[in-house]
Amino acid sequence: DTGVSQDPRHKITKRGQNVTFRCDPISEHNRLYWYRQTLGQGPEFLTYFQNEAQLEKSRLLSDRFSAERPKGSFSTLEIQRTEQGDSAMYLCASSHPRTGLTGAEAFFGQGTRLTVV
Amino acid sequence: AQSVSQHNHHVILSEAASLELGCNYSYGGTVNLFWYVQYPGQHLQLLLKYFSGDPLVKGIKGFEAEFIKSKFSFNLRKPSVQWSDTAEYFCAVEDTGFQKLVFGTGTRLLVSP
Repeated sequence: DTGVSQDPRHKITKRGQNVTFRCDPISEHNRLYWYRQTLGQGPEFLTYFQNEAQLEKSRLLSDRFSAERPKGSFSTLEIQRTEQGDSAMYLCASSHPRTGLTGAEAFFGQGTRLTVV
Repeated sequence: AQSVSQHNHHVILSEAASLELGCNYSYGGTVNLFWYVQYPGQHLQLLLKYFSGDPLVKGIKGFEAEFIKSKFSFNLRKPSVQWSDTAEYFCAVEDTGFQKLVFGTGTRLLVSP
């Protein structure tokens, strides 16, 4: 499968624990995005990378959240001291910008469902 | 900040009925527009997109959408739905230069056979 891959698919953790999710984008895509989706809502933007550079972070991304893309390939999203409000589906997407043009189709992974108990 | 409204949260149709799902966005600058679909248990998939040119765009599986700039709208249509179209549909807008998608809350479509 050459799509966007996320691991794990499900994670249950106790409040206060740290969790880390991984995303492997489509190999030739240089942009990588993290979104969060809660029940009844559409995905909400968290952050994005162009290669290894993190170019934008949403205000939704508190200090407990950190994302990395160390070699411009896979990315990790870490949540420290998890809270019940962090329970959500965390989606990763990747895209490759159209040469000389704006906009690009984002390809989404299946997501990591986090439950904080 | 950009926002996207999908006014129909749940839609129930019989097979062969026509479908129109509304999508409106708030900011009237230059935008790229998308409809994504999420079938049960699957990931978000692109249905169709509009970047420029003909405001009537055709996507996969017989879907089409019309961009009406004056109304800030990008409504999704299908003349005859099938049971397999049962899914959740999301409209998304990208302000050009901002490199991120803003999604609506989604519309759950149930097509009864």
